[in-house]
Amino acid sequence: ETGVTQTPRHLVMGMTNKKSLKCEQHLGHNAMYWYKQSAKKPLELMFVYSLEERVENNSVPSRFSPECPNSSHLFLHLHTLQPEDSALYLCASSQEESSYGYTFGSGTRLTVV
Amino acid sequence: LAKTTQPISMDSYEGQEVNITCSHNNIATNDYITWYQQFPSQGPRFIIQGYKTKVTNEVASLFIPADRKSSTLSLPRVSLSDTAVYYCLVVKDTGRRALTFGSGTRLQVQP
Repeated sequence: ETGVTQTPRHLVMGMTNKKSLKCEQHLGHNAMYWYKQSAKKPLELMFVYSLEERVENNSVPSRFSPECPNSSHLFLHLHTLQPEDSALYLCASSQEESSYGYTFGSGTRLTVV
Repeated sequence: LAKTTQPISMDSYEGQEVNITCSHNNIATNDYITWYQQFPSQGPRFIIQGYKTKVTNEVASLFIPADRKSSTLSLPRVSLSDTAVYYCLVVKDTGRRALTFGSGTRLQVQP
């Protein structure tokens, strides 16, 4: 365990379903992030939360809706996804003023059928 | 953000030293160089970070020349478990530092 826990590890959902991905960190970090990693592509930054405020949204479709209720928890709500949204979704956290980088979770492998 | 360029893939054998070089010609004065390692179906893991000269930890060494336009990650005596993708990133020293990943270098270690 890295200190960042993501659930579920695997998720299969239909295009009309609504599901949520959860991320929890116990590192005392004040920033959290969602990344998407599709097959054979670099990690794409989706959302950034700093002190529970969304500070960055990289042109992500509205079918992805993040939520950060407190500094330890981050959610990604999914609805009416497309098959091309199938990917590994990674959560990360960091202490914004630290120079020692991010801590990533192990990800949720999402398959949209 | 400074763009980075690194080899797409490298092959090595167990016990060898592996050096992965990254170019970052547009690095700014207050930028750091950071390296991450990623195994399949896992999140990237921080390896090492440096600003200039040489940094060493229990996993790797990072060499940064005086002009800082490139850096080299050195992995001593690799094993099969070092097979992974290695990412070089340039990170700002201050302010918000959302990491932007490139394609990385896929290292394959053979027996």
